[in-house]
Amino acid sequence: EPEVTQTPSHQVTQMGQEVILRCVPISNHLYFYWYRQILGQKVEFLVSFYNNEISEKSEIFDDQFSVERPDGSNFTLKIRSTKLEDSAMYFCASSEDLHGYTFGSGTRLTVV
Amino acid sequence: AQKITQTQPGMFVQEKEAVTLDCTYDTSDPSYGLFWYKQPSSGEMIFLIYQGSYDQQNATEGRYSLNFQKARKSANLVISASQLGDSAMYFCAMRELTGGGNKLTFGTGTQLKVEL
Repeated sequence: EPEVTQTPSHQVTQMGQEVILRCVPISNHLYFYWYRQILGQKVEFLVSFYNNEISEKSEIFDDQFSVERPDGSNFTLKIRSTKLEDSAMYFCASSEDLHGYTFGSGTRLTVV
Repeated sequence: AQKITQTQPGMFVQEKEAVTLDCTYDTSDPSYGLFWYKQPSSGEMIFLIYQGSYDQQNATEGRYSLNFQKARKSANLVISASQLGDSAMYFCAMRELTGGGNKLTFGTGTQLKVEL
């Protein structure tokens, strides 16, 4: 079964550093997303991406964050100048249609 | 108002019994989809079942079924014949198809523990 692949599975970074979280969506999917889950809390939408541009973003997704599809397969989330409160599980997801919403296994980001 | 409400922070069920996890939602969008995801302790989000607002029948996927009561705005997940491996966090989520873009809005989750 097709999967959304995320790398790395764990990332530890120092406060103030930049991190790039990587995702390979399912190949025939057109919509891509990033979500965040702070430990013990609910999953929160960050951003959706379609046709090489952001289609929607939440208030969490401020200037510290950016997304990019650098080639035909990868989809990245960049977090600049990380803060302690950015520590969370970050999920990439992709969808083709109304039902086919598939999540990756997540990247656990720890900012120290 | 919360768009997705899961009122059971924790539930216990005995192995082989059925369990119902509650989910109510709030939307004025006539077209929406409801999802259930399982999150084991390893952290990944596993899709379980989907119900569209215009679907006439309740969705079923193996041991999972969705008790969809549109007028009451509830979409409860029923797990039959519980197994130890069902112990996990369960999230209900909604996608509003007309005005909500493609994003999912999640509830706070229910932690299910299956006991021997």
